[in-house]
Amino acid sequence: KAGVTQTPRYLIKTRGQQVTLSCSPISGHRSVSWYQQTPGQGLQFLFEYFSETQRNKGNFPGRFSGRQFSNSRSEMNVSTLELGDSALYLCASSQTTAGVAQYFGPGTRLTVL
Amino acid sequence: KQEVTQIPAALSVPEGENLVLNCSFTDSAIYNLQWFRQDPGKGLTSLLLIQSSQREQTSGRLNASLDKSSGRSTLYIAASQPGDSATYLCAVSGGSQGNLIFGKGTKLSVKP
Repeated sequence: KAGVTQTPRYLIKTRGQQVTLSCSPISGHRSVSWYQQTPGQGLQFLFEYFSETQRNKGNFPGRFSGRQFSNSRSEMNVSTLELGDSALYLCASSQTTAGVAQYFGPGTRLTVL
Repeated sequence: KQEVTQIPAALSVPEGENLVLNCSFTDSAIYNLQWFRQDPGKGLTSLLLIQSSQREQTSGRLNASLDKSSGRSTLYIAASQPGDSATYLCAVSGGSQGNLIFGKGTKLSVKP
């Protein structure tokens, strides 16, 4: 089976712009979670989608949003980018929600100038 | 609020040595605990998953143990190799929410 794929792998944006990141889960997986990784804060949970519904959300401002499509692919959007949004954004997929192994993609490296 | 701590933050060992990485968590009400490996600038590779009802899991040279009552897990790496050099992350999943809560990781360097 193909693993989790994320596009694009690298992005450079300027402050105030908006960005959309994409994640395709492992075939058959219905849950997609997003995490932000920074050197200072480590890995922090953004949100989880299961069957096109947001099931859980981390402590991030409303500028961070996401959605999931009927084929389980997910996108996350960050509006009005700030310098502090520079990070590695990781997507994880799992068969169901809660209590099962999660498998991560390679991440999207976002740099905000 | 669940907190996950990993000690040490960094570890350097000579090739061939057996080593133990530690992970502790504050709330024992977890579904599972997962160990990951992360190479620089890359995503996370799942190494081992231990369900809350299990005590340990093994995969090749890796063995992970879980003691829920004391809020601790260890990752044992036997006969370390330079290719094992990476950051090792511990994460717990608990309650009705599926999200993982991560420790800050242990950066392992295995010297030839």
